[in-house]
Amino acid sequence: AQSVTQPDIHITVSEGASLELRCNYSYGATPYLFWYVQSPGQGLQLLLKYFSGDTLVQGIKGFEAEFKRSQSSFNLRKPSVHWSDAAEYFCAVGYSGGYQKVTFGIGTKLQVIP
Amino acid sequence: ETGVTQSPTHLIKTRGQQVTLRCSSQSGHNTVSWYQQALGQGPQFIFQYYREEENGRGNFPPRFSGLQFPNYSSELNVNALELDDSALYLCASSLNRGSSTDTQYFGPGTRLTVL
Repeated sequence: AQSVTQPDIHITVSEGASLELRCNYSYGATPYLFWYVQSPGQGLQLLLKYFSGDTLVQGIKGFEAEFKRSQSSFNLRKPSVHWSDAAEYFCAVGYSGGYQKVTFGIGTKLQVIP
Repeated sequence: ETGVTQSPTHLIKTRGQQVTLRCSSQSGHNTVSWYQQALGQGPQFIFQYYREEENGRGNFPPRFSGLQFPNYSSELNVNALELDDSALYLCASSLNRGSSTDTQYFGPGTRLTVL
């Protein structure tokens, strides 16, 4: 069965600092990996996704993520965080057959301080 | 082009009651998935509907059921509500039912509170 681990429940960074959110997955086949962001009172918005090819994926809002098969990781990064990035971030792995089931991690809540 | 919409925004029910949540998918999307997000947790997949039929289900009991209509809008029905059903219920629509590579577009959710 597929699963996702986000080891950091809560992270605080200063505005302008770099950010890395960790994600480890477990899946028997080639994973389809996603990062979503959820602001308070909002639904989920897709930041980026990885299916194959280049292991460094660029997303919206200046985010990127790197797929490392040897480490079963898909960490999200941003070189300089803005106050508006404060939100909850979810890593997810997709099921690749029959129907579109996505398994989410528990989420990492990002706080940005001035 | 309108996005995914859900109604109502908030709902309060008592244990044992039944509830219906509604979702309008994004224009042109024929696949709808429902997720339950308990407080402090990630969303959990409930089921997916494609062209009015359920074609995938997560680990939820049969009292969680759904419908999809010819216009691809959808309903989630929960019978015999339990306290643990209190959560944010998210609907997501996409173009292709079986493709995990297809982007799911999420609605803002319905916050259900069971007392």
